[in-house]
Amino acid sequence: EVQLVESGGGLVQPGGSLRLSCAASGFTFSRYWMHWVRQAPGKGLVWVSHINSDGSITTYADFVKGRFTISRDNAKNTLYLQMDSLRDEDTAVYYCARSISADGIIWGQGTLVTVSS
Amino acid sequence: DVVMTQSPLSLPVTLGQPASISCRSSQSLVYSDGNTYLNWFQQRPGQSPRRLIYKVSNRDSGVPDRFSGSGSGTDFTLKISRVEADDVGVYYCMQATHWPYTFGQGTKLEIK
Repeated sequence: EVQLVESGGGLVQPGGSLRLSCAASGFTFSRYWMHWVRQAPGKGLVWVSHINSDGSITTYADFVKGRFTISRDNAKNTLYLQMDSLRDEDTAVYYCARSISADGIIWGQGTLVTVSS
Repeated sequence: DVVMTQSPLSLPVTLGQPASISCRSSQSLVYSDGNTYLNWFQQRPGQSPRRLIYKVSNRDSGVPDRFSGSGSGTDFTLKISRVEADDVGVYYCMQATHWPYTFGQGTKLEIK
């Protein structure tokens, strides 16, 4: 089955760190650009970051630049989002996605990150 | 950043009637390869988002043909020909032509 499964969410204090993972299965992970998108409680969707197929190109939304790092391990079919210096406003469900602007989109079920003291 | 502006933000519709959502971008969404990367997503209550339309007018697999997308340049529309109860939720447009990708504010569709 073609799917993406996020994990690693949880409760963290402001200023803390968390690493999200997105495990891919059922397709050749190394061929695809991958994305992270988030949604704060009761709010809209916000694109966070992207990485190209071999990991050599990454792009970030301004509000996470310098704090979040996207990476991937194609041997493990896994996408990551390292989140440092977390703020209250980073509280959200984080989704990983494949082919967000092309045919064959895959979207995970999301993992909740709560930043609170 | 490209600003995506949707209207209306709230859309009450009678079952069986058509519905239309507008999305306008602050810049042209035509990419250098000639494609226009404008997507439409649906998010039903309590569910993850689901893409309905990509590149303006291409329906994703499994999406009913009641849903259609149109437009060009900076002006785009999602149309539902006959609204069903299952269509209740929030609809988002999203541009993937310019970095960073950006979403519209969302349009909440409800049944009258």
